Amino acid sequence: NAGVTQTPKFQVLKTGQSMTLQCAQDMNHEYMSWYRQDPGMGLRLIHYSVGAGITDQGEVPNGYNVSRSTTEDFPLRLLSAAPSQTSVYFCASRKSGEETQYFGPGTRLLVL
Amino acid sequence: GDSVTQMEGPVTLSEEAFLTINCTYTATGYPSLFWYVQYPGEGLQLLLKATKADDKGSNKGFEATYRKETTSFHLEKGSVQVSDSAVYFCALSPFSGYSTLTFGKGTMLLVSP
Repeated sequence: NAGVTQTPKFQVLKTGQSMTLQCAQDMNHEYMSWYRQDPGMGLRLIHYSVGAGITDQGEVPNGYNVSRSTTEDFPLRLLSAAPSQTSVYFCASRKSGEETQYFGPGTRLLVL
Repeated sequence: GDSVTQMEGPVTLSEEAFLTINCTYTATGYPSLFWYVQYPGEGLQLLLKATKADDKGSNKGFEATYRKETTSFHLEKGSVQVSDSAVYFCALSPFSGYSTLTFGKGTMLLVSP
């Protein structure tokens, strides 16, 4: 099992550009989430999904869009990048009924 | 809403020293509690967990006890190693099996030889 994979590892964007952060898991987990990590702020939940076709907003959803067309994939879209979206983004997955949440290695995003 | 408060870091210790990282929480009901560790340049890994009051989670020499009366889940280790240098996150799930976690801000631990 590859676990949770994220691409790219690092990205530089200009203000106003759009991009998609990819996340995939091969553990057949129902739950998937996106978090952002900022210095002194811990991890904050952006969006999450409890299954294919079902998504919901977390604590900081503005400026981000998600969809879940398959169990394996949960891409995060930045519609029009802003410097405030400079952060490290983590994708996570979890099997329904189990406690452990598995994290990907992260995507470091810099918006100029 | 639910929240987790951790002591601010960095915590700087010498090898073989005793470690305590404080964590308190606010939640309704009976949350599950977790400690995650993030080594430099990596994602988060589950270190230990406890799902009900008075449970003790343990792993790799680390321990934490779920104290409902003080709403705390402090992380301890009797003798730290240089390889324990990392950022430690306390987190909660409002109830067992909930889909997402609420995290504290993280505490950086630096251990010197």
